[in-house]
Amino acid sequence: DAKTTQPNSMESNEEEPVHLPCNHSTISGTDYIHWYRQLPSQGPEYVIHGLTSNVNNRMASLAIAEDRKSSTLILHRATLRDAAVYYCILRDPYNNNDMRFGAGTRLTVKP
Amino acid sequence: SAVISQKPSRDICQRGTSLTIQCQVDSQVTMMFWYRQQPGQSLTLIATANQGSEATYESGFVIDKFPISRPNLTFSTLTVSNMSPEDSSIYLCSVDLTGSGQPQHFGDGTRLSIL
Repeated sequence: DAKTTQPNSMESNEEEPVHLPCNHSTISGTDYIHWYRQLPSQGPEYVIHGLTSNVNNRMASLAIAEDRKSSTLILHRATLRDAAVYYCILRDPYNNNDMRFGAGTRLTVKP
Repeated sequence: SAVISQKPSRDICQRGTSLTIQCQVDSQVTMMFWYRQQPGQSLTLIATANQGSEATYESGFVIDKFPISRPNLTFSTLTVSNMSPEDSSIYLCSVDLTGSGQPQHFGDGTRLSIL
């Protein structure tokens, strides 16, 4: 299975943008890049996903490198409610279609 | 989107006993997944449960310890058998609405403590 590498933790100030990096150098051509986050005492929550092109939704933006070996989740204005563990996951819908969670990045947002 | 309900939300059990966790979805889904999250750790996939077939277990998880039922397209159960303190974890179910790489949706988990 293709694996992802993320920093263990990051800090941000409230109202500032946050860029959460993810390396996935062994990504295959059919792997989608998914981002989830887990708030305390909750199950993981879907944030965004993409294949090749950059993606935007109401929660975040996903910037995917041209070679697809890395990606960045962008929170445009961090709030205290964005404090969570963020997981970058590769998912292949043509091969098992399951999701393997890495350690993720624990984001702390300071007021 | 999907609403996923897990029962119980938490429990404290005696070692050697078994507990069955229920996962109910508000829409029909083909694929359901069970995960374990040990204290302070990330999620680990236990098994994939498709309706009409045997569950597929990941390495390190066996049916005798974690039997799974999937009687219909909206419901699944996971049993944690012959529990020991090492089984103290959060157990989560998730569903895949379309089975085509689209997002999974998770319940809030069952927090299990074994004394």
